[in-house]
Amino acid sequence: KAGVTQTPRYLIKTRGQQVTLSCSPISGHRSVSWYQQTPGQGLQFLFEYFSETQRNKGNFPGRFSGRQFSNSRSEMNVSTLELGDSALYLCASSSNPTMGSGNTIYFGEGSWLTVV
Amino acid sequence: AQKVTQAQTEISVVEKEDVTLDCVYETRDTTYYLFWYKQPPSGELVFLIRRNSFDEQNEISGRYSWNFQKSTSSFNFTITASQVVDSAVYFCALKDAGGTSYGKLTFGQGTILTVHP
Repeated sequence: KAGVTQTPRYLIKTRGQQVTLSCSPISGHRSVSWYQQTPGQGLQFLFEYFSETQRNKGNFPGRFSGRQFSNSRSEMNVSTLELGDSALYLCASSSNPTMGSGNTIYFGEGSWLTVV
Repeated sequence: AQKVTQAQTEISVVEKEDVTLDCVYETRDTTYYLFWYKQPPSGELVFLIRRNSFDEQNEISGRYSWNFQKSTSSFNFTITASQVVDSAVYFCALKDAGGTSYGKLTFGQGTILTVHP
């Protein structure tokens, strides 16, 4: 069974540009969440999508956005990139979780974004 | 608000030593879930274990064992007879059952484990 797949794995962007990252969840998983990992802030939750709807959002500016498609694949977009956006962006998927569910959350290998 | 604290930033051991990684958490929820993940240099977070708050039974999986103590809000992870391949960053994480918990894990800062041959 294929795991969570993220593309691209590595990318370099210039300040002010925008970037789109893609995530394909584990087959059958309908919940996709995104995390940002930096040395200073650690792992921080960005948002979660289920059935093309954003159900939860972390404390990030509006430059960070995402969407989910009908096949559960998800994309996240960061506009007007800043140097501080350099990070590892991790996507995770889970089977149909209710709010109170502790379904296991599986992560991909991440996309390493460098902003110069 | 939830909080996870991993007291050890870095641990260095020699192969075959036992090592324990500490994790202390804070939550107001009575139902919650605790996780441990391993992150090798490639970046992927590898799932190791999930524990429900209502199940305090300790668990052993090969060289790995976990000690969950609700009374002290701790969920510690022990590697027995460590190996070089265990070298990685280990994260403890918490997920609440209530509120806005969809997809949201609260992570500790991670413990860098280095196992020397």
